[in-house]
Amino acid sequence: EAGVVQSPRYKIIEKKQPVAFWCNPISGHNTLYWYRQNLGQGPELLIRYENEEAVDDSQLPKDRFSAERLKGVDSTLKIQPAELGDSAVYLCASSLVPSGELFFGEGSRLTVL
Amino acid sequence: GESVGLHLPTLSVQEGDNSIINCAYSNSASDYFIWYKQESGKGPQFIIDIRSNMDKRQGQRVTVLLNKTVKHLSLQIAATQPGDSAVYFCAEIKTGANNLFFGTGTRLTVIP
Repeated sequence: EAGVVQSPRYKIIEKKQPVAFWCNPISGHNTLYWYRQNLGQGPELLIRYENEEAVDDSQLPKDRFSAERLKGVDSTLKIQPAELGDSAVYLCASSLVPSGELFFGEGSRLTVL
Repeated sequence: GESVGLHLPTLSVQEGDNSIINCAYSNSASDYFIWYKQESGKGPQFIIDIRSNMDKRQGQRVTVLLNKTVKHLSLQIAATQPGDSAVYFCAEIKTGANNLFFGTGTRLTVIP
């Protein structure tokens, strides 16, 4: 069974540019998460979806970040415009139901210059 | 910040020895604790979990202990192997919430 797939794996952009990350969760997993992981830190939740609905986006910086999960499967996370402090690894995870057992992708490493 | 934290940022052990990774939490309302392993360049991987009504849970070569009196969680790895080298995170789910909150992590290095 395929795991959570993310792309791109690496992205380098200049500040003020837009960037988008894509995630394909494990088939059948209704719950999808986006986390941000800064260097040397644990992942921090940005947004959680249950099917198409964003049920918790309280930690998403809405002035520049947006996310969508059309049709309740794939999801995209966008940053526009990017700032230097956005450099981090963006992790997507999925689970069958909301739980502590999440399946993570390998992440998308963003570097903002 | 979140209430889950770790005592030590790094831990080195000899191959074959047992490893103990500790975690302190301050939120008594958490009812579910989880350990994750993250290898370099990869996403975190679920290892084992424990509910707050339990004191101990065992898996394959791993044991998680929960001491609610002192709000302490530990992960014990038996006969540590080079493949166990990674960063280990404890995480919690607070009562009434469905979101996982991670601590900072401990880097385990296994010396051959």
